[in-house]
Amino acid sequence: AQKVTQAQTEISVVEKEDVTLDCVYETRDTTYYLFWYKQPPSGELVFLIRRNSFDEQNEISGRYSWNFQKSTSSFNFTITASQVVDSAVYFCALFFPDTGRRALTFGSGTRLQVQP
Amino acid sequence: AAGVIQSPRHLIKEKRETATLKCYPIPRHDTVYWYQQGPGQDPQFLISFYEKMQSDKGSIPDRFSAQQFSDYHSELNMSSLELGDSALYFCASSRITSAQNIQYFGAGTRLSVL
Repeated sequence: AQKVTQAQTEISVVEKEDVTLDCVYETRDTTYYLFWYKQPPSGELVFLIRRNSFDEQNEISGRYSWNFQKSTSSFNFTITASQVVDSAVYFCALFFPDTGRRALTFGSGTRLQVQP
Repeated sequence: AAGVIQSPRHLIKEKRETATLKCYPIPRHDTVYWYQQGPGQDPQFLISFYEKMQSDKGSIPDRFSAQQFSDYHSELNMSSLELGDSALYFCASSRITSAQNIQYFGAGTRLSVL
């Protein structure tokens, strides 16, 4: 079975703190893609990053960084020097390109509150 | 850059009424997806279309139907609305043939059933 687990329901930090959002996934497929999406209070879903299962290179984009470790089936997301605008629900998601299933499987999301 | 357009943004209906949600995908995207997000929940896949043909089906109630038209826009039709249908409905589009194959989401339609 394919499953995405985001164990942290809600995290609250103070501005400028670093914060890591955890994502653990389960799959028997060897080819898959992992995603992170951001859902701010306005409600839209914003794509942040896609990583395929053959590329374990970590990625940094400004204050955002992602750590993909196949050995632990984890794809964690770190925000450095958090800002109030980072307050949102963050979803980790899984996708399988080689199956007929084209849908994203989402985790339950982590609500991040950044206090000024 | 053009994004996925959904209309209306907000919709209020009474029980047992019908609703139609529209989605205009990003130009040159060949696949459209519909998701339903209940309050405090993650998005759940409903249905998808590839090149105007239904390609996959998730947990879509029989009361709901969808189609994709020749101009690639899609509509989700919901009949006999129930209170539990109140949710945020997202449309997403992607280009399956591209190496990226990223689903980009619209801003969503918030449906309230009273």
